Amino acid sequence: EVQLVESGGGLVKPGGSLRLSCAASGFTFSSYSMNWVRQAPGKGLEWVSSISSSSSYIYYADSVKGRFTISRDNAKNSLYLQMNSLRAEDTAVYYCARDKRDYWGQGTLVTVSS
Amino acid sequence: QSVLTQPPSVSAAPGQKVTISCSGSSSNIGNNYVSWYQQLPGTAPKLLIYDNNKRPSGIPDRFSGSKSGTSATLGITGLQTGDEADYYCGTWDSSLSAGSFGGGTKLTVL
Repeated sequence: EVQLVESGGGLVKPGGSLRLSCAASGFTFSSYSMNWVRQAPGKGLEWVSSISSSSSYIYYADSVKGRFTISRDNAKNSLYLQMNSLRAEDTAVYYCARDKRDYWGQGTLVTVSS
Repeated sequence: QSVLTQPPSVSAAPGQKVTISCSGSSSNIGNNYVSWYQQLPGTAPKLLIYDNNKRPSGIPDRFSGSKSGTSATLGITGLQTGDEADYYCGTWDSSLSAGSFGGGTKLTVL
């Protein structure tokens, strides 16, 4: 069974940093690209970033470019999102999703507030 | 402002059929596969349709997808109260080199 479990969310002050993790199981993690997608409270889905299976290709939404860094460790079956210079508008539930977004985690809430 | 345009809401009676549209451009829908997601209240999105019209295993054939040019459509037949949810279309935008979602459509089964 495919499972994606996010962790690392929490309350952080504006300008602060946070690192999200996504633990994958039930499939060959190293064969799939991965994504981060977020959803602000009461709002729609927003694609954040994607990384190819070997980390050769990385893409970011303009809203996070230069502040967020996606990475993965195929040996640990894990996906990461390093978030720096956080802003109030980054407050959202962050989901990791596999490849064509066929499987999603349950999400982790990031709240940016003073 | 979403790259893909969906109606904010649609409604229909139980047992009826509803369609949800998703409009884009040649850089996204026109040249990439479209997926559709269902998000029940308080839960993570769930894939309903991928590659324009394919259903993952376990998704009933009441759900269908189609694409024509720069627009895509999700169809749901035999509506049930359990289908009340937010529905999103999604694809890749080749010009932006970025993923994109529609703004979401809230389905109400009256």
